[in-house]
This record gives sequence, C-alpha cells and structure tokens, in this order.
Amino acid sequence: GAVVSQHPSRVICKSGTSVKIECRSLDFQATTMFWYRQFPKKSLMLMATSNEGSKATYEQGVEKDKFLINHASLTLSTLTVTSAHPEDSSFYICSGRSGTGQETQYFGPGTRLLVL
Amino acid sequence: GQSLEQPSEVTAVEGAIVQINCTYQTSGFYGLSWYQQHDGGAPTFLSYNALDGLEETGRFSSFLSRSDSYGYLLLQELQMKDSASYFCAGSGYALNFGKGTSLLVTP
Repeated sequence: GAVVSQHPSRVICKSGTSVKIECRSLDFQATTMFWYRQFPKKSLMLMATSNEGSKATYEQGVEKDKFLINHASLTLSTLTVTSAHPEDSSFYICSGRSGTGQETQYFGPGTRLLVL
Repeated sequence: GQSLEQPSEVTAVEGAIVQINCTYQTSGFYGLSWYQQHDGGAPTFLSYNALDGLEETGRFSSFLSRSDSYGYLLLQELQMKDSASYFCAGSGYALNFGKGTSLLVTP
C-alpha cells in the first residue's frame, strides 16, 4: 500500500507555544488529506479535510484559528496547533487519498503531542 | 452525518473465530471500511465493502448488507497478534469512524 509519513512522531511543548506537524505522502499524490485526533481508548475524530491548493474544511467544533492547516502541494500537508494548551494533548493522525472518489485512505503513523 | 455502533470489547481464544458487528445510520454512505489499530499505532486498512456480500482477504472477511445497514468483520484462526482495536468506518467524502472494538485474544 501507499506510504504516508508524519513528523515529528512525538513532541512535548510548553503551554502557549505553537507546534507544527507535517504529513507527507511518499509514493503517491494526495489530492485530499485528512487530519484526525484520537484520545486514549477513543475513536478517531475527523478534524478537517484539506484539498491541495484550497482552504481546509473544518468539522463542527474544531477551531480553525487554533488548528491551522496548509496543503501547499500534493505530497505535503501541515497542521499547526497554535497557542497549545494541555487539553490539546492528543494523538494526531493524518491520512491521504489519491483521488476524489472512494479510494482507500492511507494513514500516517501519528504524532503524539503532550502540552505541559 | 453518520453514526456507527460496534461492541466495545470482545475476548476470544487463540485459534477461534470472532465476528465484530457494525450497524450504521448514515447519509451519504458509499461503503464500509474496517481498520485495525494496535496500541500506540496508526490505523491500518483491512477491507472495504462497497457492495453487499462477503469480501475475503486471507484470515479476515468482511460483510455488508445495505438493506440492513449492517456489516461485520470476521477474523478466523485467531492469533495473539490480532489483539488490537478494530474500527468500522463509513465511507462518504471522509471516513467516519465507529467507537472501536477492543479485541483480546487469549491463549
């Protein structure tokens, strides 16, 4: 299957700082990338959907000014958690899809964020 | 939107067969996917049913009945490494995940 990478895999930061997470599709062009967050023992919750070159579409309840998403190329999307707080500590996972239909999504390995 | 229900926990012994059910209420539904996630890891794709019926991939099979808004994942010849969380996900424009079923395989 296709490969998606995320960087960093783990990050610890102080409250009030911003953290950028990169998501790259390594061997395919991801027309659409999705960002999820997952709390321990919970399901994956879709945060936002981004299409290359256009603004991200955020799910209800997700603050777009706090979670900045950029999808500047077909192989790279970034999620920036601005002014992070302890409640933002979570497992953030991206996925990429090559087409616009029902093609399989390929998930990155996730980024574990801990805000102190 | 979509709402998917699946059991929270299932326990089975090594070598056995286990079925994880998933019922859904949804609009804009294209098909049902199944993902496996080990603790601390990312979800990995197992199967996708766009049409009614059974899809078989090795020890894993998945079934979909659109008329019943129901699907299941069948795991055969269980191995210890199959202990993980299993998520059904409704495929629309984006994936909408169920709450997950934690499977524990015991010796």
